[in-house]
Amino acid sequence: GENVEQHPSTLSVQEGDSAVIKCTYSDSASNYFPWYKQELGKRPQLIIDIRSNVGEKKDQRIAVTLNKTAKHFSLHITETQPEDSAVYFCAASNRNTGGFKTIFGAGTRLFVKA
Amino acid sequence: GAVVSQHPSRVICKSGTSVKIECRSLDFQATTMFWYRQFPKQSLMLMATSNEGSKATYEQGVEKDKFLINHASLTLSTLTVTSAHPEDSSFYICSASHNQETQYFGPGTRLLVL
Repeated sequence: GENVEQHPSTLSVQEGDSAVIKCTYSDSASNYFPWYKQELGKRPQLIIDIRSNVGEKKDQRIAVTLNKTAKHFSLHITETQPEDSAVYFCAASNRNTGGFKTIFGAGTRLFVKA
Repeated sequence: GAVVSQHPSRVICKSGTSVKIECRSLDFQATTMFWYRQFPKQSLMLMATSNEGSKATYEQGVEKDKFLINHASLTLSTLTVTSAHPEDSSFYICSASHNQETQYFGPGTRLLVL
């Protein structure tokens, strides 16, 4: 079945450094790739997304890249701050006969040390 | 905009009883609502997808007679856990979408079955 793998499971960086989280997906029909941030005890929040017709998208300190051929996509956070500490989930979505289906990665717990 | 509420935020019930969880989109019409289950430090596991006015589509391994889903209006979906058992204890989280693609998550419901 469809699968999304996410690495690393835990990432610890020093404040100001960059953080990179990588995901791979198995379903070549996937065409929408959102990233969610979930702080402790709170709901997941969409932080950035990318569609399959785009290779890169940036929003301030956050950027996402997509390699459709390799079925890889990555989240890049630059100049990390303590408030970036959270769990980040990648996801891959596609529309099939049953509707729109989203598969989530296992999550990456990011710690930003002040 | 795009606010989703969920009620109750936490519930404790006795084994064998049923529990209803409500998911509401407060400022938009959600043609599709998704129900997830999240175990501690794990990812979001999709349980079912519900479209307004039609039967929910359940993921493999999710018992539709145990997890009853109703999506009677464009702003409300309910999940009823019937004859709850301790193994049903978990964090249940809904999301709502107006286009099946972008999902806005509710704050979640923590269920504890004694």
